[in-house]
Amino acid sequence: DAGVTQSPTHLIKTRGQQVTLRCSPISGHKSVSWYQQVLGQGPQFIFQYYEKEERGRGNFPDRFSARQFPNYSSELNVNALLLGDSALYLCASSLGTSGGVDTGELFFGEGSRLTVL
Amino acid sequence: GENVEQHPSTLSVQEGDSAVIKCTYSDSASNYFPWYKQELGKGPQLIIDIRSNVGEKKDQRIAVTLNKTAKHFSLHITETQPEDSAVYFCAASIRGGSYIPTFGRGTSLIVHP
Repeated sequence: DAGVTQSPTHLIKTRGQQVTLRCSPISGHKSVSWYQQVLGQGPQFIFQYYEKEERGRGNFPDRFSARQFPNYSSELNVNALLLGDSALYLCASSLGTSGGVDTGELFFGEGSRLTVL
Repeated sequence: GENVEQHPSTLSVQEGDSAVIKCTYSDSASNYFPWYKQELGKGPQLIIDIRSNVGEKKDQRIAVTLNKTAKHFSLHITETQPEDSAVYFCAASIRGGSYIPTFGRGTSLIVHP
């Protein structure tokens, strides 16, 4: 089975530009989460979506937005890029069954490395 | 919100030695504690987890212990091998509804042959 896939793997943008990152979850997983990982630090939570609805939002500015599609894939958008947005953006999927047997395990993709110049 | 502290930031051991990574958390409501391993160029991968109703869990060379009273949990790797070299992250979250773990800053484990 295919794991979590993310695209693009690498991209370079300049300050002020906008970027869209894409994620396809593992088949059968209904929840997608986005994390930002700055070099030398742990992943920082940005968004979580379940069944197309936002379930959680981390401490990130409104320049960050996301959505989930009917096929459970997801996009992360970042507007007005700043140098500090340079990071590895990780997508993770999970079963996401509310109150059910969701084990809580997150399955991460390999990430999209964004460099802002 | 939850705050997870992880130590040490770097750990260097000889092959065959044991390695211990320690984490503390702040939110007493947290009840799920996963550990992730991240190899270079890859996303984190779950290696073991523990829930608040148990104090210890083992899986071959890896074990995790949890002290809810003290709010700390640890990862123990025995008989380390060079392929154990990676960055390890602890995390804490609240089970039920949506799992949104808070991660520690990571420990870079280097196993020398």
